[in-house]
Amino acid sequence: EVQLVESGGGLVQPGGSLRLSCAASGFHFNTYWMHWVRQAPGKGLVWVSRISSDGTTTGYADSVKGRFTISRDNAENTLYLQMSSLRADDTAVYYCARLVVGATTWGQGALVTVSS
Amino acid sequence: DIQMTQSPSFLSASVGDRVTITCQASQDVSYYLNWYQQKPGKAPKLLIYDTSNLETGVPSRFSGDGSGTNYTFTITSLQPEDIATYYCQQYQILLSFGPGTTVDLK
Repeated sequence: EVQLVESGGGLVQPGGSLRLSCAASGFHFNTYWMHWVRQAPGKGLVWVSRISSDGTTTGYADSVKGRFTISRDNAENTLYLQMSSLRADDTAVYYCARLVVGATTWGQGALVTVSS
Repeated sequence: DIQMTQSPSFLSASVGDRVTITCQASQDVSYYLNWYQQKPGKAPKLLIYDTSNLETGVPSRFSGDGSGTNYTFTITSLQPEDIATYYCQQYQILLSFGPGTTVDLK
């Protein structure tokens, strides 16, 4: 079964850091570009970041550039999102996703709450 | 970033109605435009890719069209199970989503 499972969410103070993980299973993880997408409570989808299948190419939304870092460990079938200098408006459910026609897959999401 | 806008942000329609949502990009996205459906508490589902191609298993009442900066998404005959929020998404330059259109039953 194809599955993406996020972990690492939680409550963090403004200015703090947090690392999300996404464990992939049921497919050849090392052949797919992967993404992070977030959704604030009651709000719309916001694309955050992507990484190439071999990890050498990354991209970020302007809102997180310089603060977030995406990475992956293909040996461990795991995607990461290192988040720093967190702000209240980063509060959201963070989804890892494989956005491929015919094989779109989303995780269940990890809630990140930035609050003092 | 390419900015995406959608209209309307909310619409109310009856079963059997034709529903159309528009999506505008801040620059040409060259047909690299997808449409997703999201129901409450669920992950988004890809319905239309590359402007007008129906994802496998998606009912034919859903369709998409457009070019350049202007795109449309249509449900030809609204069904109760279509009540959801719909998002356009471009991938010409990185990715970005529109703000969403919530479709409700009148």
